[in-house]
Amino acid sequence: DVKVTQSSRYLVKRTGEKVFLECVQDMDHENMFWYRQDPGLGLRLIYFSYDVKMKEKGDIPEGYSVSREKKERFSLILESASTNQTSMYLCASPPPGSTDTQYFGPGTRLTVL
Amino acid sequence: AQSVTQPDIHITVSEGASLELRCNYSYGATPYLFWYVQSPGQGLQLLLKYFSGDTLVQGIKGFEAEFKRSQSSFNLRKPSVHWSDAAEYFCAVGAPGNTGKLIFGQGTTLQVKP
Repeated sequence: DVKVTQSSRYLVKRTGEKVFLECVQDMDHENMFWYRQDPGLGLRLIYFSYDVKMKEKGDIPEGYSVSREKKERFSLILESASTNQTSMYLCASPPPGSTDTQYFGPGTRLTVL
Repeated sequence: AQSVTQPDIHITVSEGASLELRCNYSYGATPYLFWYVQSPGQGLQLLLKYFSGDTLVQGIKGFEAEFKRSQSSFNLRKPSVHWSDAAEYFCAVGAPGNTGKLIFGQGTTLQVKP
């Protein structure tokens, strides 16, 4: 059974903290994505990676960075968390080609106080 | 630029009634279209997808969607709603470039009345 896992379901951090959100997939996929989900805005792409050490900015990359040192792991980093980064964060990993199902992780609900 | 619009933020239907959730897209070529559902506290689940061919697509849980190129729409339908269908529904289009990137609509929250 294919899986995308995220390190935490719920996370509470303070303003200014450095935050790491981890995503792991066991499907040997090249592509991995980070989205954030906010009410009324749907899912918006933050960053994606199409290979180890390769990354591209999505639609809302400001305030975030990513790391992909191994194929199975894609980390989202909030360098200095702010309250407007309180959100649900979803990791996804599609098989090669955009014509197939994208597998989503369960999400991490991050609250920044 | 590609975009997806779901005009209805909230919809309430009675159990057993029919359902139609609207989705309009803007895309330069033949789109890859998806509907996802997110139940409370759950992850995103794919309901159905359209790539080509028959414009009426059947999905899981009794859902179907119809691709209408002339109207740039991909509306989701179900003939009889069950209380367990209460959830948030997202329409998405596959972005060009074969990367697997998806562009999502804003989502529609479905409430089901007993």
